Amino acid sequence: RKEVEQDPGPFNVPEGATVAFNCTYSNSASQSFFWYRQDCRKEPKLLMSVYSSGNEDGRFTAQLNRASQYISLLIRDSKLSDSATYLCVVNPDSNYQLIWGAGTKLIIKP
Amino acid sequence: DTAVSQTPKYLVTQMGNDKSIKCEQNLGHDTMYWYKQDSKKFLKIMFSYNNKELIINETVPNRFSPKSPDKAHLNLHINSLELGDSAVYFCASSPNPGQGNYGYTFGSGTRLTVV
Repeated sequence: RKEVEQDPGPFNVPEGATVAFNCTYSNSASQSFFWYRQDCRKEPKLLMSVYSSGNEDGRFTAQLNRASQYISLLIRDSKLSDSATYLCVVNPDSNYQLIWGAGTKLIIKP
Repeated sequence: DTAVSQTPKYLVTQMGNDKSIKCEQNLGHDTMYWYKQDSKKFLKIMFSYNNKELIINETVPNRFSPKSPDKAHLNLHINSLELGDSAVYFCASSPNPGQGNYGYTFGSGTRLTVV
């Protein structure tokens, strides 16, 4: 089992729709969780950290389910500019090394 | 005022050559990283330095040698380049763990093509 698993997609979603994707992690002792966004031929950029109580940033909501070992990202009222690959990232032990998922590709269609 | 800058942006070179990629960050971060992203888009850690000390050294060929002259710089030298080295190499930096949100800041990448 991979340490961090994501559905690679692509998710093809009409503009304005709500889309959600999950990411599972294998290490139950993992400490910190993040969602990154990577546009085509660009560097990954931090989208949001994921807190135990769940957190929201505008149209984006991230949630953590420790019992089932997954994190989720919900995007409401999707925009064309949301098209990107979304990378799930886990820190297993509060150390320097992050474990990266392979990413979920999202395509928003007009 | 780029936060993490790496050069060159593109690098095309022949097999067997030696090349270097440079990275500099002006964020005051203590930790810097080199990542490789291949054609399948997996991001793989290669090396990490904290305050000029090597702390992560993943299984990469010893043709790859990082150097950190100070905590704001981390360079990557590659000897005897091979076709399989073709990839995008990202430099990144972060604060130390425990210092709040320590998400990484990435450079824009160096697209290396070995021909």
